[in-house]
Amino acid sequence: EIVLTQSPGTLSLSPGERATLSCRASQSVSSIYLAWYQQKPGQAPRLLIYGATSRATGIPDRFSGSGSGTDFTLTINRLEPEDFAVYYCQQYGTSPPCTFGQGTKLEIK
Amino acid sequence: QVQLQQWGAGLLKPSETLSLTCAVNGGSFSGYDWSWIRQPPNQGLEWIGEITHSGSTNYNPSLKSRVTISADTSKNRFSLKLTSVTAADTALYYCARVIRRRLGVAGTLYYYGMDVWGQGATVTVSS
Repeated sequence: EIVLTQSPGTLSLSPGERATLSCRASQSVSSIYLAWYQQKPGQAPRLLIYGATSRATGIPDRFSGSGSGTDFTLTINRLEPEDFAVYYCQQYGTSPPCTFGQGTKLEIK
Repeated sequence: QVQLQQWGAGLLKPSETLSLTCAVNGGSFSGYDWSWIRQPPNQGLEWIGEITHSGSTNYNPSLKSRVTISADTSKNRFSLKLTSVTAADTALYYCARVIRRRLGVAGTLYYYGMDVWGQGATVTVSS
């Protein structure tokens, strides 16, 4: 099973700043299988990024993904108040199980 | 616009069987894969398993002995059964649509994410 470790656990920033969230895999993950989700309290997760770098439909361009191999990053430029949430990375390769990182909470400083 | 509506028993006793159903409204059922994911209180996301567009299933090894995912294509819905539940199975359960496509000459399987989610169903296991 591929373990995804996200850091930091909590990130405290102010609106307008840039957020950099990390996701490290226990073994190499093909970029085509790496996704990012945003979850707000009381809501289901929302797909942000798939294929490590492609934005899902309707996702603002201040969200971007990068990385390869075992290290992936979600960057959020010019934080908006609605961006403060929990973010999860996910790998969903050809062999189960699909796994999620434990999440990074982005909170207002 | 595709929506997933899920329902099922919310309160179970230990050793009972959890049963949830997810209906696909406003979109196609065929041609997609479908997953169940759960989230224990104040914790992260755990993948339970999936049923593919071809009807095959894959399960999380940690739950495999207790899980069954099935589909009723005539009703555009799929279901989750989890047997012998314990308090550790208390969670918010989500269904989700999984987008995968084979592309290129080699037929490489690309993953486009879980793009549509149900509203979630709270399941509590308590004696």
